[in-house]
Amino acid sequence: EIVLTQSPGTLSLSPGERATLSCRASQSVSSSYLAWFQQKPGQAPRLLIYGASSRATGIPDRFSGSGSGTDFTLTISRLEPEDFAVYYCQQYGSSWTFGQGTKVEIK
Amino acid sequence: QVQLVQSGSELKKPGASVKVSCKASGYTFSSYAMNWVRQAPGQGLEWMGWINPNTGNPTYAQGFTGRFVFSLDTSVSTAYLQISSLKAEDTGVYYCAREYCSSTTCYPPDYWGQGTLVTVSS
Repeated sequence: EIVLTQSPGTLSLSPGERATLSCRASQSVSSSYLAWFQQKPGQAPRLLIYGASSRATGIPDRFSGSGSGTDFTLTISRLEPEDFAVYYCQQYGSSWTFGQGTKVEIK
Repeated sequence: QVQLVQSGSELKKPGASVKVSCKASGYTFSSYAMNWVRQAPGQGLEWMGWINPNTGNPTYAQGFTGRFVFSLDTSVSTAYLQISSLKAEDTGVYYCAREYCSSTTCYPPDYWGQGTLVTVSS
C-alpha cells in the first residue's frame, strides 16, 4: 500500500499570498495517478487536479499541480478568501490512498 | 446534471446495522465504478473500497472486510453500503464517489455524494 505524507500540517497565510503544499509517496505513483482535493467544513471533497498536473473542469488557473514519481506539489498562486480549506492528495487507480491533509488557514 | 444523492443521517446503537444509499443520476450508471470513503469526526479521508457496476463484484480495502458490504440495484441506479455489528469507532461521514477507468487510463472521483453521517452511540 502506498502511503502519502503531506506537509506542512497547517499553513497560515494571508489572502493574496502563494501557497505551496507538498505530498510525498512511499513508493512511485504509477502513471502519475495523483490527485488533489479541496474540502471545506460540512462539504464533500472537490476535485482540483488529476494526473498530477491537469486541472479539473471549472478549477481556476491559480491552482496548479506538479511532480512525478514520489514527490508532488499543489500551488495556489494567489490565495482568495474561498481557498482557505483543507487539501488532500490522493493516489488512485487499482486502489486509493489519501494523505492526511494540509489545512490552509488565514493568518 | 450528474448527481449522487445519499440517504439521511443515522443514529444507531452499538451492535445494530445500518444501510446507506447513494442514488446516481445524470449519467450512465454502469459506466462508472462506485467507491466508498469514510471520514471520522475531525479526521481525514479513508478509502473503504469499490464495487463494479457491471458485475456487482465488490473490493474491500484493508480494515473494511467482514462487517462492510457494498451492493447495487442497477434498476434504480443506486449503490448501497451496509455495516453490521456497529461499533462506536464506525461513527463518521460516509461518502460515495464515482470513478471512471477506460481500458488505458483511470481518473479520480469527480462527483461525490453529499455524505451520510452515521453516529453509533448507546
